[in-house]
Amino acid sequence: KNQVEQSPQSLIILEGKNCTLQCNYTVSPFSNLRWYKQDTGRGPVSLTIMTFSENTKSNGRYTATLDADTKQSSLHITASQLSDSASYICVVSVTNTGNQFYFGTGTSLTVIP
Amino acid sequence: EAGVAQSPRYKIIEKRQSVAFWCNPISGHATLYWYQQILGQGPKLLIQFQNNGVVDDSQLPKDRFSAERLKGVDSTLKIQPAKLEDSAVYLCASSLAPGGDSEKLFFGSGTQLSVL
Repeated sequence: KNQVEQSPQSLIILEGKNCTLQCNYTVSPFSNLRWYKQDTGRGPVSLTIMTFSENTKSNGRYTATLDADTKQSSLHITASQLSDSASYICVVSVTNTGNQFYFGTGTSLTVIP
Repeated sequence: EAGVAQSPRYKIIEKRQSVAFWCNPISGHATLYWYQQILGQGPKLLIQFQNNGVVDDSQLPKDRFSAERLKGVDSTLKIQPAKLEDSAVYLCASSLAPGGDSEKLFFGSGTQLSVL
């Protein structure tokens, strides 16, 4: 069964600290993995897209890693800011006809001053 | 470029009433998706259009939900009659075309539906 699981479910950190969010998936055949940031009351916004051959990709203070062998990904946020408070969703897509996306339930991050 | 536009932003209705949501995707995007996002969960695909044809509607509750994209651009999603469990955020997303490792999926801000 194709599934995407994220941990932790929620996280509270102090401003300026680093944190790492986890994503494990059983989706097959794997095409790519995406991390989205969803602010409260807004639609998700893409942070990174990683294909099978990519191990790491950065977007500013966000760095995503992918281990296709263990089917795990992580999103590392460096020097967190209050504006990083949001839900972070891991999305895995498959290489079938059409376009199928499998969504995790997200990690709710709260950055406090 | 303009993003995915959705309206209304919020809607409150009573159970058994009808409601419709509208989505205008990014210009030129052939693929359009409607997702249902219940509080605390990830988005669940309801229906996917490629131009004006349906690619996947396997998770659409067809007894009460309907969607159309008549001219391959704008789309509407309708619920008739609504149930309490339909309370959720309804997200519209679009992309240039299906497939592609770097294909970006753009989301609208969603319509938050509350069924009382």
